[in-house]
Amino acid sequence: RKEVEQDPGPFNVPEGATVAFNCTYSNSASQSFFWYRQDCRKEPKLLMSVYSSGNEDGRFTAQLNRASQYISLLIRDSKLSDSATYLCVVLASGGSYIPTFGRGTSLIVHP
Amino acid sequence: DAGVTQSPTHLIKTRGQQVTLRCSPKSGHDTVSWYQQALGQGPQFIFQYYEEEERQRGNFPDRFSGHQFPNYSSELNVNALLLGDSALYLCASSRDRTYEQYFGPGTRLTVT
Repeated sequence: RKEVEQDPGPFNVPEGATVAFNCTYSNSASQSFFWYRQDCRKEPKLLMSVYSSGNEDGRFTAQLNRASQYISLLIRDSKLSDSATYLCVVLASGGSYIPTFGRGTSLIVHP
Repeated sequence: DAGVTQSPTHLIKTRGQQVTLRCSPKSGHDTVSWYQQALGQGPQFIFQYYEEEERQRGNFPDRFSGHQFPNYSSELNVNALLLGDSALYLCASSRDRTYEQYFGPGTRLTVT
């Protein structure tokens, strides 16, 4: 089993739709979680950290489910500009700083 | 406020050659990490530098080495290039012990 797994998609949704991505991780000791966005042939950009209690930033909501070892990203009211690849990142605990990226989930928002 | 910068943007090398990639971190950041991203994959962690020392290393061979300078800028060196080293090489900077990273635009390396 891969350390961090994401459905590569693509998720093809109309403008205004709500879409959710999941990311599962295998290391139960993982402590820090993030979502990054990567546009085609560009660098990843930090979208949001994922906190234990869940957190929201405008149209974006991130949640952590430790029992089932997954994090999720919900995008409401999708915009054309949300089209990108969404990467989840998991960091192990215990002082080890080896961030593990998923392969990313591709989102295409169409008119 | 300058973000993370990398040079060169593109590079073509031949198998067996050596390459050096450069990175300047975002202002106020002291930690630099390097990643390799193959097409269609997520970035893979190569190593991280802090206080001019390699602090963490991912699962990459010794052909991959690095350096950090007193001004926090960093270099990634790859020796004895293989075709499989063709990828986008990303540098990310952060403040020590914070895990929110800012990436540079990357160097696209092609090995022929």
